[in-house]
Amino acid sequence: KAGVTQTPRYLIKTRGQQVTLSCSPISGHRSVSWYQQTPGQGLQFLFEYFSETQRNKGNFPGRFSGRQFSNSRSEMNVSTLELGDSALYLCASSLRSTGQGTGELFFGEGSRLTVL
Amino acid sequence: AQTVTQSQPEMSVQEAETVTLSCTYDTSENNYYLFWYKQPPSRQMILVIRQEAYKQQNATENRFSVNFQKAAKSFSLKISDSQLGDTAMYFCAFILMDSSYKLIFGSGTRLLVRP
Repeated sequence: KAGVTQTPRYLIKTRGQQVTLSCSPISGHRSVSWYQQTPGQGLQFLFEYFSETQRNKGNFPGRFSGRQFSNSRSEMNVSTLELGDSALYLCASSLRSTGQGTGELFFGEGSRLTVL
Repeated sequence: AQTVTQSQPEMSVQEAETVTLSCTYDTSENNYYLFWYKQPPSRQMILVIRQEAYKQQNATENRFSVNFQKAAKSFSLKISDSQLGDTAMYFCAFILMDSSYKLIFGSGTRLLVRP
């Protein structure tokens, strides 16, 4: 069974640009979450999607957005990039259904974004 | 607010020895899971062990075991017979089993296993 796949693995952007990251969850998983990992702030929750609906959102500005498609694949977009957006962006998938779930999240290898 | 605290930024252990990583958390909820995740230099986050909050019995996975003290909100990880491949960042985390469904992570403990 294939794991969580994130693309691209590495990318470099300049301030003011936008970026789109992609995540393909484990087959059968309908929940996809996104996390930002930085040395200063650690791991922070961005948002979670389940069945194409955003179920929860972390404390990030509106420049951070996402969506989920009918095949459960998810994308996140960051517009008007700032230097502080440089981070490892991790995607995680799970089996969770409304109000329930096994609790376990499976992570991808991440997308390393560098903003110059 | 829910928080997770890992008070040991770095730890070191000799190969084949035992090491314990500390974690405390804070939540007023009763229905949650606790996890230890490992992030090696290759950076993929891997689940080490999971504990359901309603279970009193401590979880065990091969060389990894936890000491779960619900009243004290403590969730430490013990690694027995440490191996070089255990060198990694270890994150303690919990997730509320409600509609929020987000992992709250600690700041991590960097573990170095010395040969």
